[in-house]
Amino acid sequence: NAGVTQTPKFRVLKTGQSMTLLCAQDMNHEYMYWYRQDPGMGLRLIHYSVGEGTTAKGEVPDGYNVSRLKKQNFLLGLESAAPSQTSVYFCASSSEREVRETQYFGPGTRLLVL
Amino acid sequence: AQSVSQHNHHVILSEAASLELGCNYSYGGTVNLFWYVQYPGQHLQLLLKYFSGDPLVKGIKGFEAEFIKSKFSFNLRKPSVQWSDTAEYFCAVNLYTGANNLFFGTGTRLTVIP
Repeated sequence: NAGVTQTPKFRVLKTGQSMTLLCAQDMNHEYMYWYRQDPGMGLRLIHYSVGEGTTAKGEVPDGYNVSRLKKQNFLLGLESAAPSQTSVYFCASSSEREVRETQYFGPGTRLLVL
Repeated sequence: AQSVSQHNHHVILSEAASLELGCNYSYGGTVNLFWYVQYPGQHLQLLLKYFSGDPLVKGIKGFEAEFIKSKFSFNLRKPSVQWSDTAEYFCAVNLYTGANNLFFGTGTRLTVIP
């Protein structure tokens, strides 16, 4: 049982490049989330999903897209990376049964946009 | 605007000192409250959570937190810290609004000196 995993762990992009961050969970959770963590700002919700095939915007969605084609995977896409998107990205998941309870976090992806 | 405030940005303590980290939130309705910890190089882990009932909740590793509704606070405490408690601590809130979305404070970095 790996919990929540994220790929890649670290990536450097040039401005304008695109990339996709992958989050996978093996806990059969319904809810999945993408956050970004910036110094002095805590974690902020980018997008979330309440089930396969559904996504919704969070607090800071601009510049990102997401997809939840399979229940266990939640993808975060950057179509045209900007230096302002340099951050640490965390994925999380929670069970529908445990809605409003614990979110389980992945190890994070460090992204540097030059 | 809804917010979660952690006024202590960096706390430095000697081993065996007592710890109290402040957390205040500004939501008027029913909330669920959490403290997460992020050890250096690791992902966020749940320390403790409060939903209802006894306002003094106990978590892992000797941590506890007290919910004071009149003060909109959920302060984290530990009577005697250890070097291994060096980490960043995040307070988080979610609302009874459907999706299990967490709103995080900016975090408090704790450094414990041996």
